[in-house]
Amino acid sequence: QSALTQPASVSGSPGQSITISCTGTSSDVGGYNYVSWYQQHPGKAPKLMIYEVSNRPSGVPDRFSGSKSGNTASLTISGLQAEDEADYYCSSYTSSSTHVVFGGGTKLTVL
Amino acid sequence: QVQLVQSGAEVKKPGASVKVSCKASGYTFTSYGISWVRQAPGQGLEWMGWISAYNGNTNYAQKLQGRVTMTTDTSTSTAYMELRSLRSDDTAVYYCARGWLQIPLDYWGQGTLVTVSS
Repeated sequence: QSALTQPASVSGSPGQSITISCTGTSSDVGGYNYVSWYQQHPGKAPKLMIYEVSNRPSGVPDRFSGSKSGNTASLTISGLQAEDEADYYCSSYTSSSTHVVFGGGTKLTVL
Repeated sequence: QVQLVQSGAEVKKPGASVKVSCKASGYTFTSYGISWVRQAPGQGLEWMGWISAYNGNTNYAQKLQGRVTMTTDTSTSTAYMELRSLRSDDTAVYYCARGWLQIPLDYWGQGTLVTVSS
């Protein structure tokens, strides 16, 4: 069982917007602004898409945005494109001894 | 450009050990930590632990304590992850990534498939 809870799947049509949630506790998501989001295409390594809740690394399209409210972080993808179809994972810094926790992952399908 | 290049796929028998390497280039190795993450077939990402390339400090996932050791060789900018007493449920793709603690994992290796089978 993952420490952070994500929906197993979401879907949307090209051009639409979708949001993926990531729910934790006050010991991780709610307690720190160190939430990251990773995109993983089949057979590939994960790629950092968002860090520190809402910051985009260089090269990541501004269609990807992140936010947080309480113990829940969210990744929003606007103007969906076919190449956005992938698995998405959230992670957070945590006060527990492990320091890092991942969500279970969300499969995004672009219809 | 930053690159992390991992060693090749391994096939091991239950009870054996495996050591995966991760050679870094394109940045000052000792300025960052290296985290290790694994992914069992069809499953999600599992954080295994991290090592500071600056001073060798480590932190391991509780479920792997006693079986995993992470090290670095600063002379070659290479990180290593050794997993002992392998079981079938250790079959996974193992990734190294630059980053640790609250630092995001901004660059990842290509992954190393470790298969544990009798």
